[in-house]
Formats: sequence, C-alpha cells, structure tokens
Amino acid sequence: DTAVSQTPKYLVTQMGNDKSIKCEQNLGHDTMYWYKQDSKKFLKIMFSYNNKELIINETVPNRFSPKSPDKAHLNLHINSLELGDSAVYFCASRDHRGSGDTQYFGPGTRLTVL
Amino acid sequence: DAKTTQPPSMDCAEGRAANLPCNHSTISGNEYVYWYRQIHSQGPQYIIHGLKNNETNEMASLIITEDRKSSTLILPHATLRDTAVYYCIVFPLEYGNKLVFGAGTILRVKS
Repeated sequence: DTAVSQTPKYLVTQMGNDKSIKCEQNLGHDTMYWYKQDSKKFLKIMFSYNNKELIINETVPNRFSPKSPDKAHLNLHINSLELGDSAVYFCASRDHRGSGDTQYFGPGTRLTVL
Repeated sequence: DAKTTQPPSMDCAEGRAANLPCNHSTISGNEYVYWYRQIHSQGPQYIIHGLKNNETNEMASLIITEDRKSSTLILPHATLRDTAVYYCIVFPLEYGNKLVFGAGTILRVKS
C-alpha cells in the first residue's frame, strides 16, 4: 500500500505551459508539504498545509499555487512554466503523534521544462 | 540555512559499521536531531531521531554527545542498499516548523 503517492512521475512540457502535480496520502496525517530538489540536489521546502490551511509559504513565485481539497490531498499547480522550474518535486506528509515528528515522502515528480 | 555540518562523502565496506558524523554546535535545547536518507531517485526516508539520549531502532543507532553539539549515525552492518545521501537535521518540535536539508553525506558502501 502506497503511503504518499504522486502523479505523474515524469512530466515534460514546454515553457509557458500550465501544469499540475497531484499528491495523496493515506496515512491520516494532518500536515502535508511540497519540496523542490534542483539539479544541485538541494532539497528545499516550498509549502506546507495543515488541515487544508496554508501554514508555510517560502519565497516561491506566485506562479506556484498549492491547493488542498481535503487533508489527504495537496496538489501543486504551476502557471507559465519556466526553464528554471525543471526539478524533482516531492510531496510529504507529517506524523507528529507521540514523541516524533516524522515526514513521509512521496516518490517524486521529475519536471522537465523545454 | 542548514544548522548542521557533515562530511561531503564517506566510503564503507559492505558488512562493516558505517559511522556518519554530524556537527550541530548551535543546537538549541528544544531542537531534536533527525536523520533522513535519500537513495538515488527516491524520496527522502526517515531513519531515526533523538533529543539527548542515544536511540536505536531497526535501521540504525544514534549517538548524541553529552553537550549535544554533535552526533553520530551508526548503520551497524552496512549493505550495498545503504548507499545514499544521509541528512542530519536539527528540528524543533513546534507547530509550523520545517525541515531544512543541507548537502548531506554521500555514503558509498562497497563490496
């Protein structure tokens, strides 16, 4: 059973297009995240939602708009794609029960903008 | 910015213990030490975390110095599948906080 799933796994598109990446978690967690990992392999947080409410919004261009229809889903919509948006995008959900605060990551979506 | 310092890479022989150091000299009293790893082309995977005491689970052991300024992740019997980037992260368990990943340590397990 997949805990955190993302679709699509690969996305190749032209500059200027609009695209969406979907994320779903079946772990019952309240908090979900989007991370971006660029070509230099640095992993940086972009957004976080808790119970459909935005709680973290890093310095991300407003072309990126997260949407959380319910607490099990956090989708990422990107408008007017640019070459620099090419990266691997990871979704994660957070379990903060007990003494821990563990994040579970999805398999990633590799976005290539041509 | 990451608040930890790790060596960029390490090698380990298969079957031997892999000891990955991490320096976090500015850690605050309410910050935990977390370790994640990222195997090539996969999402990061939680390994272990601790506050003051040493911790052990089915994957690894975490040794935290008494002054909490450094720690060591130990993989007791490294296998080829443990080849990955290992991230040491300090993280306060407070609502709204975020994981800040540094460059990590590339661990290469060799046969």
